[in-house]
Amino acid sequence: AQSVTQPDIHITVSEGASLELRCNYSYGATPYLFWYVQSPGQGLQLLLKYFSGDTLVQGIKGFEAEFKRSQSSFNLRKPSVHWSDAAEYFCAVGAGGRGSTLGRLYFGRGTQLTVWP
Amino acid sequence: DGGITQSPKYLFRKEGQNVTLSCEQNLNHDAMYWYRQDPGQGLRLIYYSQIVNDFQKGDIAEGYSVSREKKESFPLTVTSAQKNPTAFYLCASKSQPRLGNEQFFGPGTRLTVL
Repeated sequence: AQSVTQPDIHITVSEGASLELRCNYSYGATPYLFWYVQSPGQGLQLLLKYFSGDTLVQGIKGFEAEFKRSQSSFNLRKPSVHWSDAAEYFCAVGAGGRGSTLGRLYFGRGTQLTVWP
Repeated sequence: DGGITQSPKYLFRKEGQNVTLSCEQNLNHDAMYWYRQDPGQGLRLIYYSQIVNDFQKGDIAEGYSVSREKKESFPLTVTSAQKNPTAFYLCASKSQPRLGNEQFFGPGTRLTVL
């Protein structure tokens, strides 16, 4: 069965520091992977996605993520964090298979990012 | 502008009442989804629909019902059978129910049972 694990519930970094949010997935075939960000009381916004090809993908707001098949990971990174990056971050894997499960996403439990000034 | 709208933003319900959450999209998307979000739980899938007049249960469908009479609309009814309905509800859509397409999310409705 598909699943996503985000090991860190809460991360705190100083503004200007680098950031890495971890994501591990369980999926039998080539995964379709996504990172979303959510500000308090808002919907989710897509940061980036991986389908195939180059394993390092660039997203919006200066974020990037690297797909490592051998580690079943899709970690999100940013070289220098801004105070406006404080939010909750969700990793998701797209489900495959036939019929009605096609196209649904499985989400991790999220990582809350706090940024100190 | 194209997008997904959810209404109301805040909803209060007395125990024993059914309530309906609205979700409308003008993106011409085929597939629509309802998620429930609780603190520390991530997003859990309630129902989804890939085409008009068809929908499937997700992981936590008990106590909820949906309809998909129009492509643009996918309302969610929280029934009195839902034992713990207080949560943040998110609606999403995607252009076609294929793996590669991302889901777009609405702003959410926060439901509180009094």
